[in-house]
Amino acid sequence: QQQVKQSPQSLIVQKGGISIINCAYENTAFDYFPWYQQFPGKGPALLIAIRPDVSEKKEGRFTISFNKSAKQFSLHIMDSQPGDSATYFCAARTNTGNQFYFGTGTSLTVIP
Amino acid sequence: DTAVSQTPKYLVTQMGNDKSIKCEQNLGHDTMYWYKQDSKKFLKIMFSYNNKELIINETVPNRFSPKSPDKAHLNLHINSLELGDSAVYFCASSQIGGGYNEQFFGPGTRLTVL
Repeated sequence: QQQVKQSPQSLIVQKGGISIINCAYENTAFDYFPWYQQFPGKGPALLIAIRPDVSEKKEGRFTISFNKSAKQFSLHIMDSQPGDSATYFCAARTNTGNQFYFGTGTSLTVIP
Repeated sequence: DTAVSQTPKYLVTQMGNDKSIKCEQNLGHDTMYWYKQDSKKFLKIMFSYNNKELIINETVPNRFSPKSPDKAHLNLHINSLELGDSAVYFCASSQIGGGYNEQFFGPGTRLTVL
């Protein structure tokens, strides 16, 4: 059973546009929600993360919106750039701190 | 300095062989993980060790055996390799508790079974 559901599977955005990736979960024991960025041939790297006691976190062009009641969170990439082209994973961590569950990934392509 | 390192980066081998992948972290973290990423890029947890003790063992064939000689190392040994084992294997580490949350990934080991 997929603990964290992610959509869309792939996304194509024009340069300068907004990229939006959505995730949903059911387990209320999750207490930390990171987003990872993975370039081809590399390991995933933390991009931005949020705890469920806040509804939004912004770092530069990247924003997480979090809706605790709906058990949904999303990544918004403003002013998308070709260098943002990568696979993005949402994840959720159990409140025991020892296990991360990953979404199925979104392949983002930003065309010039 | 590389935070999480894995060797080898590429591994090509025949079916039925036994192989090992090594992982080391120099972050002082107490928890290490092995993930398998398949051709569709799905990341699946395989094992997790906390202070050298196994704490997560997902449904993985017993041909896969992790070994943690100390907190900084978590090696993965695979017996009797099968075609379906072909994937990229990632090691990762994190610190449980104390406000540290980030999970750091290694560069991956691409395993190809012929």
